[in-house]
Amino acid sequence: KAGVTQTPRYLIKTRGQQVTLSCSPISGHRSVSWYQQTPGQGLQFLFEYFSETQRNKGNFPGRFSGRQFSNSRSEMNVSTLELGDSALYLCASSLAGATYQPQHFGDGTRLSIL
Amino acid sequence: DQQVKQNSPSLSVQEGRISILNCDYTNSMFDYFLWYKKYPAEGPTFLISISSIKDKNEDGRFTVFLNKSAKHLSLHIVPSQPGDSAVYFCAARYNNNDMRFGAGTRLTVKP
Repeated sequence: KAGVTQTPRYLIKTRGQQVTLSCSPISGHRSVSWYQQTPGQGLQFLFEYFSETQRNKGNFPGRFSGRQFSNSRSEMNVSTLELGDSALYLCASSLAGATYQPQHFGDGTRLSIL
Repeated sequence: DQQVKQNSPSLSVQEGRISILNCDYTNSMFDYFLWYKKYPAEGPTFLISISSIKDKNEDGRFTVFLNKSAKHLSLHIVPSQPGDSAVYFCAARYNNNDMRFGAGTRLTVKP
């Protein structure tokens, strides 16, 4: 069974640009969550999508947005990039939120802002 | 908001001995707790979990203990193996998949 796939693996951008990251969940998983990991920090929750709707949102500015498609694939967009946005962005999928199902992570997209 | 805390950034143990990783949380609404293991350049891998209605869950060499009154979670690895060397994250969930993670503990198991 294929795992969570994130593309691209690495990305270099400059300040002020925007970026779109992609996540394909495990087949059958309808919940997709996004996290930001920076050095010395744990994983910071960005948002979660379920059935094409944002169900939960973390404490990030509006520059961070996302969406989910009917096939459960998800994209995350960051506009007006800042140096502090350099991080590992992780996507996780799970079967559903109401039961005790763990999230399964992809290997992430490493975003570097110059 | 540090709702989930792992106060030990690192832990070193000898092969064959027990590894105990600790985690504290502040939000009593968390209903599901998980441990993940992370190797460099890879995403976190799910290890073991426990729901808030239990106080212990065991899976092979891994056991998770939950003390709700103390808002404390621990992961025991017995016996520890060099391949267990990784960063371990504690996570807690409430409100569907709204998850909070600790900052991680780097475990080193020495041969």
